[in-house]
This record gives sequence, structure tokens and C-alpha cells, in this order.
Amino acid sequence: QSALTQPRSVSGSPGQSVTISCTGTSSDVGGYNYVSWYQQHPGKAPKMIYAVTERPSGVPDRFSGSKSGNTASLTISGLQAEDEADYYCCSYAGSYSWVFGGGTRLTVL
Amino acid sequence: EVQLVESGGNLEQPGGSLRLSCVVSGFTFITYSMNWVRQAPGKGLEWVSFINGRGNTMYYADSVKGRFTISRDNAKNSLYLQMNSLRGEDTAVYYCVRDYQWLLSDWGQGTLVTVSS
Repeated sequence: QSALTQPRSVSGSPGQSVTISCTGTSSDVGGYNYVSWYQQHPGKAPKMIYAVTERPSGVPDRFSGSKSGNTASLTISGLQAEDEADYYCCSYAGSYSWVFGGGTRLTVL
Repeated sequence: EVQLVESGGNLEQPGGSLRLSCVVSGFTFITYSMNWVRQAPGKGLEWVSFINGRGNTMYYADSVKGRFTISRDNAKNSLYLQMNSLRGEDTAVYYCVRDYQWLLSDWGQGTLVTVSS
């Protein structure tokens, strides 16, 4: 499968909101309700911060997600310095396979 | 607390083999499917392989099919990835990842595989 499409970079000032989009096809994002988002700080493992319609325990409610058709979105409100990281979307793609987005670098100005 | 600890990454020559291991704790291993996901240096994430809880269903990305074999030993709470016919493009950090309801929910810290002569 082809990678999901994410913007290469987004930026925002502390306190602002940013939204990261993730566009796939009817074979992945649009075909299954199994989209998840990951935050990765440099040198660290990815951490799931949003999945389907829920945040894992311990993830601030500043992180929220949505999906419409073949596009999923992650919104981070009230930006904080520690939110600066790479963000990846991921979708189940059927036949026990998964596909990731190319990643988005978030810069907090 | 869920923990996944990978090991076995190393420098290997093209055409060589490596076996990665992942020891897990904090959950009932046999009840979860597991995956390997990799990340080449400076690049994004790529799903590599899936295995179900009993270890009798396995799937692979096209990029590794026929060269990599995923397996597990539920008695040892361990997941493995046998990597044969290694290529330069297999150079990456390999993550052991727990699958919870079709979501790649919990990740190990990764182990680095470098394929170079």
C-alpha cells in the first residue's frame, strides 16, 4: 500500500491550535475505523496519543482526533513547548496489515 | 505496566542474517497479536510483520516477504524476527509493537539494525 499523506511540517505559537491531516483511501482510512496517531520525540519510540475516538490514559485532552471519509485529523489545542515532535498517523489496511503516514514535524514557535 | 524490550540489533553485512527478540511483561502475552514496525534513519514508520496470539497466522510487508520470518514463544513471553538475505534498505530501528483491537498500541524502545559492508 502507499503511505498515507500528511503535511511535512506544521507550526504554531504556544497556546494556539494546530491541525494535522492524514489522507488515505477507501482501502485504509476510509474503509476501517482503526486510525491512530503517534507522537515521537527525537531518539524516542513512538507513543500512541489518539486512537479511533479516544485518548489513551494519561494523554492530555488537548489532543483530539476526527475522521471524515478518507481523511483523518489530529488537533492539538493550547500548544505547549513539549508538544514539539514528529507526529504519525496510522490506519489498519486490511489483511492484517497497517499503513503509516509520512510524518509531520510540529514546531512550537 | 506493559513493557516490551527488544534486543539483537547489530551491524551485519548485506546478504547476512540477524534474529531480533522482544521480551514482554505486564500483560497476558498469548491473548495479544504482535507486530514488528521499523524506521529507517531519518525516515518514517513502516509496518513489517504481524503474528496472532497463538502464532499460527503471520503476515508480512511486501518489502520483506520471503526474507523475514516472525515467530513467538508464548511460554517465554517472547517475540522474534528472523531476518535473512539482509539488504542496505533494511537498515532501521526495529520496534516490537503490541496490537490491541487493530491498533498498534504499545511500543518497545527499539533495536538498531545496520546492514553495511
